[in-house]
This record gives sequence, structure tokens and C-alpha cells, in this order.
Amino acid sequence: DAGITQSPRHKVTETGTPVTLRCHQTENHRYMYWYRQDPGHGLRLIHYSYGVKDTDKGEVSDGYSVSRSKTEDFLLTLESATSSQTSVYFCAISRGAPGQGYEGSGAFFGQGTRLTVV
Amino acid sequence: DQQVKQNSPSLSVQEGRISILNCDYTNSMFDYFLWYKKYPAEGPTFLISISSIKDKNEDGRFTVFLNKSAKHLSLHIVPSQPGDSAVYFCAGADSGGGADGLTFGKGTHLIIQP
Repeated sequence: DAGITQSPRHKVTETGTPVTLRCHQTENHRYMYWYRQDPGHGLRLIHYSYGVKDTDKGEVSDGYSVSRSKTEDFLLTLESATSSQTSVYFCAISRGAPGQGYEGSGAFFGQGTRLTVV
Repeated sequence: DQQVKQNSPSLSVQEGRISILNCDYTNSMFDYFLWYKKYPAEGPTFLISISSIKDKNEDGRFTVFLNKSAKHLSLHIVPSQPGDSAVYFCAGADSGGGADGLTFGKGTHLIIQP
């Protein structure tokens, strides 16, 4: 299994509070992603990073910010959590951009963080 | 606007038979496709991929077929086993589009009946 650790694994927080989720990798992969999974929506990209301090927005980035100060860590921050951000959050890593260079160049996912905003 | 569609939310197949999971895409720029398998309370795991230069890719019991003209791909599992019961996600990517990840379908819950 790819070395990806998400923390915390579970969190309950109150509406309006800031929350930071951490993704840590030991694979030295260049690309890192944050997805959320919701019933009826599958997996949707929030933000991604293509290198240290290089990040960009995904499909559902409103209300989220990210930072990547080291290759191994990618942080997702909810500045002021809302109930609509209750979800399961997955971090993923990949050596290269999907499809570039070789077959099987998919993204590898962490175990997920279940976040509940009450 | 769903760029990757998995129109069957669930599929039930008898153990030992063939499971066929379908996926359609609308983005003409997608040239690389993947299937992921997900068990409850775990992250998705990569299963198999195919690039648009091929129309078929096999890995053991798993085969993915790509029909570019129809913008359709399918995952065949033969024979189906109880451990195959999971949610399967199809994903597409534009390999020339940079690092902006994969676009996923909503998933199909495969149930293998004993």
C-alpha cells in the first residue's frame, strides 16, 4: 500500500469553527489531491497540488483552502465549517499526472477522514 | 454537468458468473480511464486502467474495454467472487491536461450473491 496517512480519521465540529485535515505521504510523490465523497455524488475534487507551494482549485473548492509547504504534507482547511461540509474526505497521491508516462499511473488514496459538522 | 456517468447505482450478480460494470463519458479530452474499487470505511483502491490508444486491457480476472466512438467503457470481472462485492468507481482524465486529477462517476455498488 502507498504510504498515505490522513489525520484525524474522525472529527465532529461545530458550525463556524475552523478545521484542518492533514494528509501525510512517505512516497515522495509530486501530486496530491483532496476529494470529498458524498452519497449520490461519488468523489469530487476539492483542491490539488502539483508541487510544494503549487496548488489549484478543483470542482468544489468554495469554502476550502489548502497549503503544501513540504512535499510530504498537504493540508485542507475549512475556514468556517458548515453543515454542507459534512462528508468523507479522501487524500490521494500520484507520482505523475494521471495517464502521463505509463499504464497504471493512477492515484492512490488514503483511508479517509469522516467529518461531521453539527 | 456529469462528465463521467455510471448509470447503474447497483448490480447484483451470482458468484462465478460475469460482472459487467458500465461507464459513459462526455468529455472528448479524456484519454485515460481508471477503475477503482471501494469497500466501506476504506479509501478507493486502484484496480485497472486503460489509455485511449488501446481498446482492451486485462489484469487477471479484470478486463476493461474502451469504445472511443461511443464514449463508453466497461469493466468485466470473470469469475465473480464474494470479495468483489464493493462500490466500483470509473474515472477519466485528460493526460495532457496537467495535474488536475481524475473525474469520477458516482459509482456502482456490486453485490455478489452466493
